[in-house]
Amino acid sequence: EVLLLESGGGLVQPGGSLRLSCAASGFSFSSYAMIWVRQAPGKGLEWVSSISGSAEITYYADSLQGRFSISRDNSKNTLYLQMSRLRAEDTAIYYCAKSPSRTESKPHFWGQGTLVTVSS
Amino acid sequence: QSVLTQPPSASGTPGQRVTISCSGSSSNIGGNTVNWYQKLAGTAPKLLIDSHNQRPSGVPDRISGSKSGTSASLVISGLQSEDEADYYCASWDASLNAVVFGGGTKLTVL
Repeated sequence: EVLLLESGGGLVQPGGSLRLSCAASGFSFSSYAMIWVRQAPGKGLEWVSSISGSAEITYYADSLQGRFSISRDNSKNTLYLQMSRLRAEDTAIYYCAKSPSRTESKPHFWGQGTLVTVSS
Repeated sequence: QSVLTQPPSASGTPGQRVTISCSGSSSNIGGNTVNWYQKLAGTAPKLLIDSHNQRPSGVPDRISGSKSGTSASLVISGLQSEDEADYYCASWDASLNAVVFGGGTKLTVL
């Protein structure tokens, strides 16, 4: 059974940093690209970033303006999202998702999400 | 303003057929595949239609997707109360080098 468990969310002040983690199990982690998608309160889904199975290819939404960094540790079956210079508009539920292939950036299977709140 | 355009709302009565549209451009839908997702309140999104226009296991065959030119559609036949949810389309955008989502359509079963 595929399982994705996000952690690391919480309350952070504007300008602060946070690292999200996503522990994966039930599949060959290194064989699949992984994705982060977020949903702000009352808003729609917003794709954030993706990383290929071997971590050689990464993509980011332009709206992030270089503040976020995606990475993965295939030896630990874990995906990360390092977020810096956080703003109020980054407040959202952040979902980790599995791709159907090594390079596909559209999500197939989703975790339950972790809430990030940026507020003073 | 989302890159992919969806109607904000749709509705139907039980048993009816409902179509949700998703309009894009040559850099996304026109040249790439489209996925459709269902989002129920308080739960994680769920894939309904994948890049090959296939339904994952567990998605009923009364749900289907299609694409023509720079637009895509999700059709739900035999509408049921459990279909009441938000629906999103998504496609790769070659100009942005990013996945773009539609703004979402809230489906109400009357």
